[in-house]
Amino acid sequence: EPEVTQTPSHQVTQMGQEVILRCVPISNHLYFYWYRQILGQKVEFLVSFYNNEISEKSEIFDDQFSVERPDGSNFTLKIRSTKLEDSAMYFCASSELAASSYNEQFFGPGTRLTVL
Amino acid sequence: AQTVTQSQPEMSVQEAETVTLSCTYDTSESDYYLFWYKQPPSRQMILVIRQEAYKQQNATENRFSVNFQKAAKSFSLKISDSQLGDAAMYFCAYRGFPQGGSEKLVFGKGMKLTVNP
Repeated sequence: EPEVTQTPSHQVTQMGQEVILRCVPISNHLYFYWYRQILGQKVEFLVSFYNNEISEKSEIFDDQFSVERPDGSNFTLKIRSTKLEDSAMYFCASSELAASSYNEQFFGPGTRLTVL
Repeated sequence: AQTVTQSQPEMSVQEAETVTLSCTYDTSESDYYLFWYKQPPSRQMILVIRQEAYKQQNATENRFSVNFQKAAKSFSLKISDSQLGDAAMYFCAYRGFPQGGSEKLVFGKGMKLTVNP
């Protein structure tokens, strides 16, 4: 069964460094999402992406964050200059249909980002 | 803004018994979706069950059923005949009806379910 995959499973970085988290969505899906979960807190929406554009973003998703679909398969989240508070589990998700109808979001296993 | 609350951080149940996980939410919208997601250890979140707010009938998927009380803004998940494989984090989530195009899910904090043999 097709799955969303994410790499790496765990990323450790120094404060101020740039990180890129990678996701491979399910191949026929059109919508892509990033969520994050700080330890002990809720899973929070970061951004959604459709047709090579951001379709929605939260207030968390500031200028330090960017997303890209560099080729036909990968979907990346870049954090330009990491802060301690960026330490979290980052989940990628994808869905098949357009937002005008119900569509299930399929999640990847997550990347744990630790900022030292 | 919509919020989802799961007030119980952990629960345990004996194998073959029934357990109910609670969730409340707050919204001013009249149409929306509610979901329960399951996340086994080190695995991805998978959708367990979904409920459309405009449907009065409670959703059921095999051993999983919900008790949806729209007026009370309550959405509990009942797991019958609990199995060891049901042990996981369970997340309650909300999504607005997409007339405005918002696809984002709003999650609760999650609840860790332990199943004892």
